[in-house]
Amino acid sequence: GAVVSQHPSWVICKSGTSVKIECRSLDFQATTMFWYRQFPKQSLMLMATSNEGSKATYEQGVEKDKFLINHASLTLSTLTVTSAHPEDSSFYICSASSAPATNEKLFFGSGTQLSVL
Amino acid sequence: QKEVEQNSGPLSVPEGAIASLNCTYSDRGSQSFFWYRQYSGKSPELIMFIYSNGDKEDGRFTAQLNKASQYVSLLIRDSQPSDSATYLCAVTSNQFYFGTGTSLTVIP
Repeated sequence: GAVVSQHPSWVICKSGTSVKIECRSLDFQATTMFWYRQFPKQSLMLMATSNEGSKATYEQGVEKDKFLINHASLTLSTLTVTSAHPEDSSFYICSASSAPATNEKLFFGSGTQLSVL
Repeated sequence: QKEVEQNSGPLSVPEGAIASLNCTYSDRGSQSFFWYRQYSGKSPELIMFIYSNGDKEDGRFTAQLNKASQYVSLLIRDSQPSDSATYLCAVTSNQFYFGTGTSLTVIP
């Protein structure tokens, strides 16, 4: 399957700092990238959908000013958690699709475990 | 009503048995159906996808789709302890919808 690289794998930061997570599609052009958050023993929660060159579409309840998403190229999307707080501690996962059509398979990055102290 | 529903489990089967995982969905217009496996602390890994009614087999895995009943299942034959994981069902209509996952434990 297609390869999606995500890093860092884990990050520990102090409350109030910002954290940037990168998601790269290594062997295909990702027209659409998705960002998910997953709390322990819960399912994936879609945070936002980003299309290359346009603003991200955020799901209801997700603060766009707190979770900044940039999809500047067909192979790179970034999620920046601004002014992180302990309640932002979670597993963040990106995924990418090579076509906007949703019958394309989604491939996931390896995830980033964020711990905010 | 949730878009995709799965029994959260846990489901326990002995090694060598068949594990049966079930998923129902609410949108009759759903087009594509996926099964992902997720180990604890890891991201989901695609193991099967199915688009048409019927069965699709890949090694020890069989996906079954019944659009009339809005039901998709995953069978794992000759279950191994390494199959112990959470299995996520995903369905697409205008976007991907994930179920909450079924936790499977294969007992040696």
